[in-house]
Amino acid sequence: DTAVSQTPKYLVTQMGNDKSIKCEQNLGHDTMYWYKQDSKKFLKIMFSYNNKELIINETVPNRFSPKSPDKAHLNLHINSLELGDSAVYFCASSQGATNTGELFFGEGSRLTVL
Amino acid sequence: AQSVTQLDSQVPVFEEAPVELRCNYSSSVSVYLFWYVQYPNQGLQLLLKYLSGSTLVKGINGFEAEFNKSQTSFHLRKPSVHISDTAEYFCAVSENRDDKIIFGKGTRLHILP
Repeated sequence: DTAVSQTPKYLVTQMGNDKSIKCEQNLGHDTMYWYKQDSKKFLKIMFSYNNKELIINETVPNRFSPKSPDKAHLNLHINSLELGDSAVYFCASSQGATNTGELFFGEGSRLTVL
Repeated sequence: AQSVTQLDSQVPVFEEAPVELRCNYSSSVSVYLFWYVQYPNQGLQLLLKYLSGSTLVKGINGFEAEFNKSQTSFHLRKPSVHISDTAEYFCAVSENRDDKIIFGKGTRLHILP
């Protein structure tokens, strides 16, 4: 069983479209995250939810909207996609304090905007 | 705010040779430090972490790192690398007053046969 699973793994779409990436964790963790990894492998946190409540919201355009229906799921919806949104998006989860706990990452969702 | 610098974007090393991947951080308060590894087309996984206590931390796959507060460093070492260690390695830091972990830009470890 995959601990943190993301779908889809690959996503190719046109500029201006709206797309979603789904994430589920079966580890029983309280906190889930979205990270963006650009073409140079730089990994930047976007959002964090703890028990369905938003606790970290970095300077991300409001075209990006996370949604957490329950503590095992954190989805990412992106409106009006732009070329610069092309990246690999990683979902992660952790238990306990968000600054000391081990992050468990999914395998990533590679988004390509044409 | 905290930041982390990985000085080398790529490190080539021969198989069975030792390796050190450098990491320096910047913070005005106590920090927690981490090393993560990313194998090709996979997510990151934790190698080791320093929260407190002994400054020498041992992790998985034979890696270790030493926290040096005076030099604000947390370098990762392995005495003998294997071809399977080919991966991207990320140093990360968080502050005891903050709620997020910040990652460095990564160092690609390239094992030469």
